[in-house]
Formats: sequence, structure tokens, C-alpha cells
Amino acid sequence: QSVLTQPPSASGTPGQRVTISCSGSSSNIGSNAVNWYQQLPGTAPKLLIYSNNKRPSGVPDRFSGSKPGTSASLGISGLQSEDEADYYCAAWDDSLNGVVFGGGTKLTVL
Amino acid sequence: QLQLQESGPGLVKPSETLSLTCTVSGDSISSGGYYWGWIRQPPGKGLEWIGSIYYSGTTYYNPSLKSRVTISVDTSKNQFSLKLSSVTAADTAVYFCARHACRTNCYAFYNYYMDVWGRGTTVTVSS
Repeated sequence: QSVLTQPPSASGTPGQRVTISCSGSSSNIGSNAVNWYQQLPGTAPKLLIYSNNKRPSGVPDRFSGSKPGTSASLGISGLQSEDEADYYCAAWDDSLNGVVFGGGTKLTVL
Repeated sequence: QLQLQESGPGLVKPSETLSLTCTVSGDSISSGGYYWGWIRQPPGKGLEWIGSIYYSGTTYYNPSLKSRVTISVDTSKNQFSLKLSSVTAADTAVYFCARHACRTNCYAFYNYYMDVWGRGTTVTVSS
């Protein structure tokens, strides 16, 4: 059972916009920044969004992040086949005193 | 270009100690400004943070693993290492090393994020 809760799966068709949620609490998302990672099949995770809504250099602006309260969301617009991957949210938890991850969401592009 | 490479035995016996090393190229660990960490992923499962270290030796560990984990740094070799003791089959996983960076309020580890990852190395615990 992960501290941060993500839906196990999500899907969309090419060109569509999808949103992946990450639900937490006041001790993690509510008080610390959320980061998102993309893991393509058989590869290492890659930083997608940091500090709630910032994109590293090279990440397309189709990817966006938001953090309303104790939940966070990753938005992907103009969905492409290469976006098919697992997506993980992560944050520091003040109560556990450590980094916690969501269980991951497998995105399928139909 | 920064690169991280994990290395170590792919097979460890139950009750023994798992030892892995991450070699950093393209930057010096001792230049500061970054933490260096370990994350693992059991087969078919999600990511779990193990712990992280600063070049000065300051460490942060996952509380659920803290009693079995030691992370150390060797700045002369530009490497950092993981030791996990008393392993069981539950420790079978792909182990990743990663760099932690931050943009603001870098005085606190909780503001860091993992911006560069190694490819990972598979460790199986079995007799």
C-alpha cells in the first residue's frame, strides 16, 4: 500500500488530453513539492515534472503539473503513442521522514 | 554529460549483505550541491526510495529500511555505495542510483528531486 495513491491505469486516444491523479495528505503533498517521473517499458525512470509544475529542459510542454491542496495531477495533452509508460508521483513525507512514491499509473494509448 | 552506472553482484544469498556501487562520470560528487541516492523496484512493482547521501557524508534513509541500510561515499573514486544487510527474497529488485537536485530552498533535503538516473541493475536474492 503506497503512501501516495494513484489510479493503477489510465488510457486515451492519440491527440486526447489525459490526467493522472496523485492523492496524499497534509504530511506529504499538503506541505511539500510533488515530482513526477515517467518510466518507459524496460528503462529507468525519467524526471518529468519537479516542484509541482516545472518542466526540466527537454520535456515537451504537453506535460503539465498542478497541486491543489493534498492532491496533485499530471496532465498530458496531445497524447502520443510514445507517451505509453508508467507514471509515478513522489514527495517528501514529514511524518515518515522520507521520500514516498505513488504506486504508479500505467498509461495506455489506444 | 552526467552519467551514473550501477555495479555489483546480480545474485545474493538470503541473510547475506547486498553491496552495490554507483560510479558517477561527467561531474564530481565532491563539487557539492547535489545528493546521491538509491531507489529500487521489485519485479512488476513500483518504486521505493532507499536512501541518499551528500558528499560530506550526511545521509537520509527510508525508515522502513534504516536498520539494514548503509550508504557511503568515496569522493576519491567519484562513487557512492549501498549496503543492505540480512537480505531476503523481498529484497529482489532492480536497484537504481540517482542524483538529487534542487532549484530553491536547497538547505533542506525535502526540496530535492531525482533528476538523473542510472540504468539500474538487477539483484536477485536466492540460495
